Parts: sequence; C-alpha cells; structure tokens
Amino acid sequence: NAGVMQNPRHLVRRRGQEARLRCSPMKGHSHVYWYRQLPEEGLKFMVYLQKENIIDESGMPKERFSAEFPKEGPSILRIQQVVRGDSAAYFCASSPPQGARHEKLFFGSGTQLSVL
Amino acid sequence: QKEVEQNSGPLSVPEGAIASLNCTYSDRGSQSFFWYRQYSGKSPELIMSIYSNGDKEDGRFTAQLNKASQYVSLLIRDSQPSDSATYLCAVNPPMFSGGYNKLIFGAGTRLAVHP
Repeated sequence: NAGVMQNPRHLVRRRGQEARLRCSPMKGHSHVYWYRQLPEEGLKFMVYLQKENIIDESGMPKERFSAEFPKEGPSILRIQQVVRGDSAAYFCASSPPQGARHEKLFFGSGTQLSVL
Repeated sequence: QKEVEQNSGPLSVPEGAIASLNCTYSDRGSQSFFWYRQYSGKSPELIMSIYSNGDKEDGRFTAQLNKASQYVSLLIRDSQPSDSATYLCAVNPPMFSGGYNKLIFGAGTRLAVHP
C-alpha cells in the first residue's frame, strides 16, 4: 500500500472553507476508490473513479462533495463549505484495471481532516 | 441488520495463543472476502483474501469461509504483541454490471495480544 500516495497527511480547515484531498494511485493502477472512516467505525465507500470518469458515486453526499480523476494528475476529493461532521480520515485506494471480480484494493496512508 | 458485522472487542489473548476473529455478512451473493489489519492512525493493510468455501492458510494466518452460513473468520496462530490492531472484514457484494468492486467493511474487531 506504500505505492498509493495521499496528501496532505493532515488537513485543518475552519467551518465554511474548502478541503482538497489528493490521491495518486499505484503505478499501473487505473481505478481509484475513496473511503471515509469515522472514529471507531469501519470504512464507508464514497466514490469509484476511472480515468476521466466517475463510475459510482452512490456513497458520496449529494451536496458539497465532488471527486475527479483527470487524465493527467492525481484524483481529487473536494469538500466545499466544510462542517464539523466532515471531520474524518479519508482513504484512497487503487486497483489494477484487470480481473475486476477479485481485484484487491491497496490503500494510501489517508488524510485526516479536522474541521474547527 | 448491518451488511457486515463484527464483534468490536477488544479481544484479548495472551502471547502465543490463537486469536479467532469472526465476521458475518448479509448478502448471500457475495463473492470475495478480505481481511485488513489497521494499526491505530494508520491505513488498512490487506492480509488475507478468500473466495471459496474452506480454509486458506498464509503463514500464521488462516482465513475460513462458509458461504452457506454467511460467515468468514480469521485465525492468527502464535499471536504476537505486534498483532495488536483492529482487524477489518470486507466483503464484495455481487458483481455490478460495471464489473468493479465496492467493498463493504465491518466496523472492525480490536485485538490486544498481551505478553
């Protein structure tokens, strides 16, 4: 999982500000997933992207949250007008493009978002 | 009913003992199952995957799957203090038409191995 790079490691925002979380998948991986983890809870799926396409965003709140994975550059999870309830660890995971049925997810080190 | 259920623990075992972690899932059509280990403040790390009924062994770890009973378990033999972590069970629901995986995670079981 060391190959999935996330930054920043820690992000502090005040209520109403915007948060941008970045994720670069492992080399050769073209699928990116974002998960959110609240304290003492498991990971909750947010969104699944392939290059330039959002495939499944069923776990992402309809308002204030957006995600992209451009042709060039990292995947971005963007949270507008953050609220205290957005405070959580956000993990990105990537997987290779083939063997979808059994592909394994490899997680990055996460971004801990704290909203003051 | 939660989709993936785990006992939150903590499960406390002495060093050298066998730790047994259990997980049940609700979707009978689930195809693949994973165990992740997560140290406090760190990212989840994949330690075992299992797809067929029965046992799968990898070093000190054994994953067991029973699809009829809808449970999956993880055994850790010769437990070490370094095994102390939260163990997350993850299940892949029936494959979507798009052919991708969307893991459903349990809340995790905290394991404490004491010397």
